Parts: sequence; C-alpha cells; structure tokens
Amino acid sequence: DADVTQTPRNRITKTGKRIMLECSQTKGHDRMYWYRQDPGLGLRLIYYSFDVKDINKGEISDGYSVSRQAQAKFSLSLESAIPNQTALYFCATSDRTSGAYEQYFGPGTRLTVT
Amino acid sequence: QQQVKQSPQSLIVQKGGISIINCAYENTAFDYFPWYQQFPGKGPALLIAIRPDVSEKKEGRFTISFNKSAKQFSLHIMDSQPGDSATYFCAASMRRTGGGADGLTFGKGTHLIIQP
Repeated sequence: DADVTQTPRNRITKTGKRIMLECSQTKGHDRMYWYRQDPGLGLRLIYYSFDVKDINKGEISDGYSVSRQAQAKFSLSLESAIPNQTALYFCATSDRTSGAYEQYFGPGTRLTVT
Repeated sequence: QQQVKQSPQSLIVQKGGISIINCAYENTAFDYFPWYQQFPGKGPALLIAIRPDVSEKKEGRFTISFNKSAKQFSLHIMDSQPGDSATYFCAASMRRTGGGADGLTFGKGTHLIIQP
C-alpha cells in the first residue's frame, strides 16, 4: 500500500462543493485508475489513464473529472458533489512492461457528501 | 448489465474447511481473471490470477479453476484459516488495442468468515 498513496484518507463535504482526491505512486507504473466502491456493488471503474496524454472514461464517469499531472500523480475531481457520490474511492496502478494486467491498489479515500 | 456475477454474497466456513467462491462472466473478450482480497479499512490486494489458456492455477492454499466453455471461474481456499476472513472479489479485463488491458470489471464481492 505504501507505494500508492491517497489523500485525504477521509473527507466529509457538503452538497454542491468541489472536491479533489489525489493519488501518488512511487512504483514507476505508467497506468493509473480510479474506482469507487459501494457496499454490495463491488468496485466500479471511473476513469483510467495510460499516460499523461491518454485519459479514458470508465463505466461511471458522469459527475467526475480527472487530471494526470505527471506519471506519478492522478487526481479525481467532483465538480459539484452530491450525496450519492458518498463512497470509498480507490486509486490503482499497473505497469505496461508487465503487460499492464496486474493492478495495485491504494488504501482508499472515504468520502461522505452531506 | 452486470458483466461479472459473483456468488455467494456471504459465506461461513469452519476452520480447516474448503471455501469456494464462484464467478461467471458474459464477455468472451475477457482474457485475464484475477481474484482480490480485501480486509476492512484496506485496499484490495491481488491474490491470484489466471488467463483462459489454462484450466487451473494453484498458489499455496489458493486455487483458481477456470471453465472457458461455461464462462465460469472459481476460487478455492483449502484448509481455510481465521486469517482468511475477508471480502473477496473476482474481476476480469480484456486486452486493449495497442497493448495492455483496460480497467477491471469486478464482481460484487463475497464476505467470507472462517469460524475457529
């Protein structure tokens, strides 16, 4: 987990506020992902990035945006938070040189929107 | 439409027993099938993975069985221990044009409890 860090670890915010979740990695991986986890629903892909110029929407991208500031940093933004975005958010990385199939997850950010 | 279906939702097994979790997928383009283990307050951790060119993969007490024709795969935990109590997720991904793979499609998870 220490190779992939997420900040903040917990956040409570109000409806309508803009919020940014940050992910940093020291694994040297080129690919980064954002997932959200809801109880009983598993993890769902929000966005993923294969390098700083290659960003792709996932299954549930509506209401979210991302920024790949550098190979090691990938941020997720909620432009106007709503209560149904309350969830656990995970960042993950993978390495193209290994075929980019194995993904390594960070410790997660618990977000509550009131 | 859920592309990876996982069962059971929860499972209780006695210490020393065999834990079995099943998954079924729909998209025949999937070519990588990992299992993740998640403890409370932690991120998912890769446990074991398989590709469709083999029918079984074993790592220690953990085995994946894969049935390509039935589009099903399962995780078997032999000699289950209380420390195995966690949530387990199956997942699948497919090769992306140009190399590598897209993001993972997860099952909904199985909450496993191993009773001492």
